[in-house]
Amino acid sequence: EAGVTQFPSHSVIEKGQTVTLRCDPISGHDNLYWYRRVMGKEIKFLLHFVKESKQDESGMPNNRFLAERTGGTYSTLKVQPAELEDSGVYFCASSQSGGLAGSQFFGPGTRLTVL
Amino acid sequence: RKEVEQDPGPFNVPEGATVAFNCTYSNSASQSFFWYRQDCRKEPKLLMSVYSSGNEDGRFTAQLNRASQYISLLIRDSKLSDSATYLCVGEYNYGQNFVFGPGTRLSVLP
Repeated sequence: EAGVTQFPSHSVIEKGQTVTLRCDPISGHDNLYWYRRVMGKEIKFLLHFVKESKQDESGMPNNRFLAERTGGTYSTLKVQPAELEDSGVYFCASSQSGGLAGSQFFGPGTRLTVL
Repeated sequence: RKEVEQDPGPFNVPEGATVAFNCTYSNSASQSFFWYRQDCRKEPKLLMSVYSSGNEDGRFTAQLNRASQYISLLIRDSKLSDSATYLCVGEYNYGQNFVFGPGTRLSVLP
């Protein structure tokens, strides 16, 4: 069974540019989470989807970040315009509906560098 | 104060040793806790859930003390492959939100 995949694995952009990260969860997983780890800090929750609905986006840093999950399958996280402090590793995770919520499967992450 | 706190380590232990990590949390509203392990430059992977009654999975034992608001992880007979960062994670709002601790780094030495 394929795991959670993320694209791209690395992205280097300049301040002010736009970047879109993609996450493909495990097939059949309704729950999809986005997290971010900036250098030297702990992993921080960004938001949670159940199918295509946002359940909790309290962790989104500001309105430069937009996450979507049209159709309830893959999700995108767009940063526009990117700032230096957005650099970090962005993880996506998914879990089954009705399963133990903490049993999340993480993707390999996208390492974003904003210059 | 951070919601979930851990001693960052590193804990350097010889093979075969027993090592214990603690994690404390400040928000008593958390429903559940988990231990994840993360290898260098890799994604976190679920190690085990933590129950108040304590649970064991092979060489790993986890315990939750709600009265004192701490979680523990005990690793017996450490292997070289146990070297990783161990992340303590609290679940809030019934799976809507998760809070990660900063992680504790373990190095098991030959």
